[in-house]
Amino acid sequence: DQQVKQNSPSLSVQEGRISILNCDYTNSMFDYFLWYKKYPAEGPTFLISISSIKDKNEDGRFTVFLNKSAKHLSLHIVPSQPGDSAVYFCAASNEETSGSRLTFGEGTQLTVNP
Amino acid sequence: DVKVTQSSRYLVKRTGEKVFLECVQDMDHENMFWYRQDPGLGLRLIYFSYDVKMKEKGDIPEGYSVSREKKERFSLILESASTNQTSMYLCASRTSGRGPTPLHFGNGTRLTVT
Repeated sequence: DQQVKQNSPSLSVQEGRISILNCDYTNSMFDYFLWYKKYPAEGPTFLISISSIKDKNEDGRFTVFLNKSAKHLSLHIVPSQPGDSAVYFCAASNEETSGSRLTFGEGTQLTVNP
Repeated sequence: DVKVTQSSRYLVKRTGEKVFLECVQDMDHENMFWYRQDPGLGLRLIYFSYDVKMKEKGDIPEGYSVSREKKERFSLILESASTNQTSMYLCASRTSGRGPTPLHFGNGTRLTVT
């Protein structure tokens, strides 16, 4: 079963506008959430994370929001830049029981048009 | 900066061959992981290891094995390569303890089995 789902395979936005990427999860035991960015022919790079004790974490142009009751998290990028064009993966883990393993979503291809 | 190095960027192997994918990390991380990335399926965990000579099955271990003889090195072995193992293989490492921490990925090995 897919415990972490990204329902939008792709998203296209104009440069300077906001990009919102969404992620849903089913396992209520998840307590740590992350976003990764991946360019073609490179490994994913860590972007931002959030613990379940928070509902928002901000780092520069990137903000992650967590809604535990809805089991939903989102990544906001503002303003979007052409260099942000990449595949974005959300991931989750339960730090108590699953040790160090992360469960990933399917990914969303973001294209930022100049 | 953490460096995770995968020995090959591209590999082409024939069906039935035994294939070794090597991964080395330089940050003394306890935990190491092998994922494969396929379009529309995201990153799926094959195997992981939380210590030397220790290994745990991930979500899709069939057809694979692993070896961790030294802390810095984690090898993925395809005992008899098949065409459905054509994929991008990603190695990652992570420290344990001191709260949740992100995975650090290598640049990946694109394996084609013909």
